[in-house]
Amino acid sequence: GIQVEQSPPDLILQEGANSTLRCNFSDSVNNLQWFHQNPWGQLINLFYIPSGTKQNGRLSATTVATERYSLLYISSSQTTDSGVYFCAVETGGTSYGKLTFGQGTILTVHP
Amino acid sequence: NAGVMQNPRHLVRRRGQEARLRCSPMKGHSHVYWYRQLPEEGLKFMVYLQKENIIDESGMPKERFSAEFPKEGPSILRIQQVVRGDSAAYFCASSPRAGNTGELFFGEGSRLTVL
Repeated sequence: GIQVEQSPPDLILQEGANSTLRCNFSDSVNNLQWFHQNPWGQLINLFYIPSGTKQNGRLSATTVATERYSLLYISSSQTTDSGVYFCAVETGGTSYGKLTFGQGTILTVHP
Repeated sequence: NAGVMQNPRHLVRRRGQEARLRCSPMKGHSHVYWYRQLPEEGLKFMVYLQKENIIDESGMPKERFSAEFPKEGPSILRIQQVVRGDSAAYFCASSPRAGNTGELFFGEGSRLTVL
C-alpha cells in the first residue's frame, strides 16, 4: 500500500514563529487532506489539496503531486495551533474516500 | 452548521459488553466512513458504507465488529463482546459523492474505554 511519511515528528515553537510541515507519499494520489487534531482529540479539516496551493488565514498548503509531497505552512503561530497535524492521502486505486494517514507531526506552541 | 454528528462522545464499557456508536452524516452526504485511532497510532480506515450497502469493509476486524447505514437513521458501528484492545477513538466521516471523492468531513469522534 501507499506509504505516507510526515516530518518532523515533533516541533516546538515560540508563539509568533513560522513553521513548515512536510508530507511525502510513495504513489500518485487523487485526494490529499491536512487535518489538525487538537488537544481535546477533535479532528479538524484544514485543507483538501490533491494539487496546487491554497491559503486560509495564517495557514497555507502546497501539493506538488508530480514530486509526491505536500507542505503545510503555519505563520505567526499561536498556542491554539498546538496539537497533531495529519496528512492523509488516497491513491487512484480506490477513489472513494479510503484515506491513508501519516503518523502526524506533534506541534507545541509556547506562549 | 450541521457537521458530522457522532454520539456518544464518550462511552465506557466493561469487557464482554456491547458498544454501539452512531454517526449522522452531513446533510446531503450519502457516503459514510468509519476510522479508528488506537492509542499511540494513527487513524486507520475501517469501513465505507452507502445507504443500505457496505462497499468496503477491508479494515474491519473479522470478528465482533459490524457496521450498517440503514435507509433511515444514522450509521451504526457495533462492537460485540468488547475487549480492552478495542479502547480507541472512533471517527466517522462523510462525503457527498464517491469517485474522485473530494473532501471527507470528520466528526468529533467517539471515545470508547473498555474496563
